[in-house]
Amino acid sequence: NAGVTQTPKFQVLKTGQSMTLQCAQDMNHEYMSWYRQDPGMGLRLIHYSVGAGITDQGEVPNGYNVSRSTTEDFPLRLLSAAPSQTSVYFCASSYSIVGGGSNTEAFFGQGTRLTVV
Amino acid sequence: AQSVTQPDIHITVSEGASLELRCNYSYGATPYLFWYVQSPGQGLQLLLKYFSGDTLVQGIKGFEAEFKRSQSSFNLRKPSVHWSDAAEYFCAATPGSARQLTFGSGTQLTVLP
Repeated sequence: NAGVTQTPKFQVLKTGQSMTLQCAQDMNHEYMSWYRQDPGMGLRLIHYSVGAGITDQGEVPNGYNVSRSTTEDFPLRLLSAAPSQTSVYFCASSYSIVGGGSNTEAFFGQGTRLTVV
Repeated sequence: AQSVTQPDIHITVSEGASLELRCNYSYGATPYLFWYVQSPGQGLQLLLKYFSGDTLVQGIKGFEAEFKRSQSSFNLRKPSVHWSDAAEYFCAATPGSARQLTFGSGTQLTVLP
C-alpha cells in the first residue's frame, strides 16, 4: 500500500504563478484534508473533504482552491502564489471522521515544501 | 475556542534519560487526543491515541501518554530516550467532527549523546 502520496516534494514558484499540489490515497478513505505547517504554529487546516464532490473550508483557506472529483484524489490549487504561502503542505486522509471510532485515525503524506519568491 | 497547547518549544535530554512532553487542550467536552512524531523531512507518524477508557495509553516506539481530565492534559512520556527519538512531536485533538484535527505548535526534541 502506498498510503497517502503527495507530489511534488519540492517546488519553487514566483509570485503570481499558479500551481496544483497533488494528493492521492489508495486506502478508499472518505475524508481528506490539507494542512500547512509553519514554524511555531503547528499544522493548520486549509480545506477538507468528506467525500467526492464535497469540500469545505478550514482555518486558513484564503488563496487556495480544492475540488474532489474522485475518492482517491484531492488536489490543492494555488491561484496566484504569494510569499506568505511559503510553507510545508501536508495532505491527510482518514476512513471517516477522525475520532469517530477506535480505528479512525488520520494518515499523512510526506509533505510538499513550497517556496514562493 | 478549541485549542491545543504545547508549552515547551524545545526540549533537550540526554540519551537514556526519561522524557515528558506536555500537552494541554481546551475543549467543551473531552476530545479525542493524539500524539504524532515528525522526523526531519518526513511526514507525521501516529505514536498513540486516546478515545476513551484507560487513561494510560501505550503507543509505538516505547511511548506512552496519560490522559488527565482534571488537568486537561495528555502528556507524552518515555522512560529511556534513544538518539533516534530526536524529532518534532505534535499533540492533536478533535471533537470528532469532520473538521479533522487541531494541532499544537509542536515540541522539538534534541537528544544528547
